[in-house]
Amino acid sequence: GNSVTQMEGPVTLSEEAFLTINCTYTATGYPSLFWYVQYPGEGLQLLLKATKADDKGSNKGFEATYRKETTSFHLEKGSVQVSDSAVYFCALKKTGGFKTIFGAGTRLFVKA
Amino acid sequence: EAGVAQSPRYKIIEKRQSVAFWCNPISGHATLYWYQQILGQGPKLLIQFQNNGVVDDSQLPKDRFSAERLKGVDSTLKIQPAKLEDSAVYLCASSLDRREGLYEQYFGPGTRLTVT
Repeated sequence: GNSVTQMEGPVTLSEEAFLTINCTYTATGYPSLFWYVQYPGEGLQLLLKATKADDKGSNKGFEATYRKETTSFHLEKGSVQVSDSAVYFCALKKTGGFKTIFGAGTRLFVKA
Repeated sequence: EAGVAQSPRYKIIEKRQSVAFWCNPISGHATLYWYQQILGQGPKLLIQFQNNGVVDDSQLPKDRFSAERLKGVDSTLKIQPAKLEDSAVYLCASSLDRREGLYEQYFGPGTRLTVT
């Protein structure tokens, strides 16, 4: 079946550190891949997406590249801020399908 | 543009009681989703509506959960009777449509349910 596996958290970083949150997926065909962010007390928000192999999604300084050969979609940011503290969810959606499958989420704490 | 609204934000009930959650999607969005998010897990789709019709309820525990979307706008999700394992955040989301290019989901803040 389709599934998403993320690195376990929490991840604790100092401000301006480099961030990587690993995400790998299992799916038939060519799914679309997403990163969502959930700030405290709020609903999930779409952070970025990629719809085909080698696509790079980017937003707010975050980037992720769709790697079909390694079935991965790792989230990166060069310099994190305290305001980036949140839970990050990797997700996939099969092309032509109507259901989004979410990973378990990775909590990020950024210290000043 | 107003976002997805949900109420209540928090609810505490005893097991075997009933509870209902309400969702008002973004105006004009045809597709509405209810998710269950158990602590430490990602959201799991319970039911998906396209306008006022159900298109996927394969993971909805139908013996105790029910949902409706009358008139294709607001939706309610009900649990009757509740069990301890129903403690979770219930998220509502909506999208313009289910089709490619239109399925970006916008989430509400969720309702945190605690069953004691």
